Amino acid sequence: RKEVEQDPGPFNVPEGATVAFNCTYSNSASQSFFWYRQDCRKEPKLLMSVYSSGNEDGRFTAQLNRASQYISLLIRDSKLSDSATYLCVVNSGYALNFGKGTSLLVTP
Amino acid sequence: GAVVSQHPSRVICKSGTSVKIECRSLDFQATTMFWYRQFPKQSLMLMATSNEGSKATYEQGVEKDKFLINHASLTLSTLTVTSAHPEDSSFYICSASGQTNNEQFFGPGTRLTVL
Repeated sequence: RKEVEQDPGPFNVPEGATVAFNCTYSNSASQSFFWYRQDCRKEPKLLMSVYSSGNEDGRFTAQLNRASQYISLLIRDSKLSDSATYLCVVNSGYALNFGKGTSLLVTP
Repeated sequence: GAVVSQHPSRVICKSGTSVKIECRSLDFQATTMFWYRQFPKQSLMLMATSNEGSKATYEQGVEKDKFLINHASLTLSTLTVTSAHPEDSSFYICSASGQTNNEQFFGPGTRLTVL
């Protein structure tokens, strides 16, 4: 079983839609959690950290359920510029474990 | 955020040649640098972790004699792909973290194509 699993998508949504991505992780001892964004042929960039209490950054809301080992990312009012691959990332010690990513395409 | 550069951004080479990729932290001292590899439509896979002045720690399945890592200073790490083969063609990304926190800052990546 992979350490971090995500639905690869693609998710095709119209501008203004709300879209949610899910992620599960296998290591219950994992300590920190992140969502990264990766544009085609580019390096991943940190979108937001994920905290146990849930956290919001503008149109983006992240949730963590430690009991279920489940992480989510909600994007509201999606923009064309949100089109990218969203990577669920879990830190289980010294290293970051990346999911394969979920591809999002926002269309006009 | 902190800036990490990589050079070259793209390299095309013949099978059997060696390729060196540089990773530099431009505005902070990177006590630890990480090297990742990403094949198309796959996740980033950690290849090795290097701490300045010590030998790199390689992940299982990564040949240390093929992927030579040198972390000679707090701002520079190099990855040398020796005797490259077409199956080594991939996107190689480094990241660096400093002393103040464990956040990793990623370089822009190097796209290697071995013919």
